Amino acid sequence: EAQVTQNPRYLITVTGKKLTVTCSQNMNHEYMSWYRQDPGLGLRQIYYSMNVEVTDKGDVPEGYKVSRKEKRNFPLILESPSPNQTSLYFCASGVRSSREQYFGPGTRLTVT
Amino acid sequence: GESVGLHLPTLSVQEGDNSIINCAYSNSASDYFIWYKQESGKGPQFIIDIRSNMDKRQGQRVTVLLNKTVKHLSLQIAATQPGDSAVYFCAESGQGAQKLVFGQGTRLTINP
Repeated sequence: EAQVTQNPRYLITVTGKKLTVTCSQNMNHEYMSWYRQDPGLGLRQIYYSMNVEVTDKGDVPEGYKVSRKEKRNFPLILESPSPNQTSLYFCASGVRSSREQYFGPGTRLTVT
Repeated sequence: GESVGLHLPTLSVQEGDNSIINCAYSNSASDYFIWYKQESGKGPQFIIDIRSNMDKRQGQRVTVLLNKTVKHLSLQIAATQPGDSAVYFCAESGQGAQKLVFGQGTRLTINP
């Protein structure tokens, strides 16, 4: 089954404790992206990647890191999480030339 | 700055009626406009897109209309069904498909 998977689905952590949210897709897509979704703000892009070893900032990259060492994986790293990073995070992938992105099920992160 | 927004945060329609969800945009340089559907507890799902050089595009039970004069986008859903209950997001992108800017979303509720 073609899909985007994210782990963990739920995470509660404390301020300053480094964490990684994994994202994997099995559709051989070149493009991958991370979004955060907050009430009243819709989805905002954090980082995106057009291919292996190519990453670019989205609209809200501060406090996040990403890497794209393999085509199928695009982990999101929070080196020192803060409460304002409490949010619902979505990973997405797609064919580079298409506006159709395939989203994962989401990761709900709470930072206390 | 550029923004994509929605006229109404909620919309209730009777099952079987047609639904019209509206969206205003401000970036006249956007090349594509896209509609996504997000069901409760799931990631957004692509519905349909329209290029800026078109004013209408039809899919299965859905029609997207683009009025560049007033920078307005709408999604029409024919014969609304219970499964259409969701939050609908409009989004825009430039010539590169990598950057999507999402609106805040409209919640569509179907009354039996």
